[in-house]
Amino acid sequence: TQLLEQSPQFLSIQEGENLTVYCNSSSVFSSLQWYRQEPGEGPVLLVTVVTGGEVKKLKRLTFQFGDARKDSSLHITAAQPGDTGLYLCAGGSNTGNQFYFGTGTSLTVIP
Amino acid sequence: DSGVTQTPKHLITATGQRVTLRCSPRSGDLSVYWYQQSLDQGLQFLIQYYNGEERAKGNILERFSAQQFPDLHSELNLSSLELGDSALYFCASSPHPGTAEGTQYFGPGTRLTVL
Repeated sequence: TQLLEQSPQFLSIQEGENLTVYCNSSSVFSSLQWYRQEPGEGPVLLVTVVTGGEVKKLKRLTFQFGDARKDSSLHITAAQPGDTGLYLCAGGSNTGNQFYFGTGTSLTVIP
Repeated sequence: DSGVTQTPKHLITATGQRVTLRCSPRSGDLSVYWYQQSLDQGLQFLIQYYNGEERAKGNILERFSAQQFPDLHSELNLSSLELGDSALYFCASSPHPGTAEGTQYFGPGTRLTVL
């Protein structure tokens, strides 16, 4: 089993603060995705990274894939209440067709 | 709107019963993935189909089965339901057969409650 652990599990911050969420594994992944999920809805894809060391920016969000393709981070600058949600990382199996989801980070941004 | 549709949105049934969940992928996507999400287990991969063929299997119980039809829609059948099967069930679609490209688009989910 290719386990993905996210930290922190819960995060509550004030509007305007910066934060980083981590996604770690002992396994190598062919690709890694970040999703945001709101209560009662499906996860929405934010980004896919496929190359070790790759950095992608999406407005105030910066995603990095580790050099060894085992871990990733999501950094949010100047968080806003609209960023509130459950952030999930998911790794594409290096040996099959399965995506493995992380344990999730629940983010609350207080106005 | 991801373009993936799931029906029904909510389903309430009793233990021992059987239900069918339906998923229509985004136009042109050949892969369909099914997931179960519960509070204590997170998002668990169940099964994947690509162009009508089973491609990968995850933590899917023997009481559960799925299929993908020639028009690419998919159904997940859950039988002999137990209280612990109560969860959100998502399907996701992808234009790719595997995980290397890493793109999945999720539907809105079906909330199953077993009483």
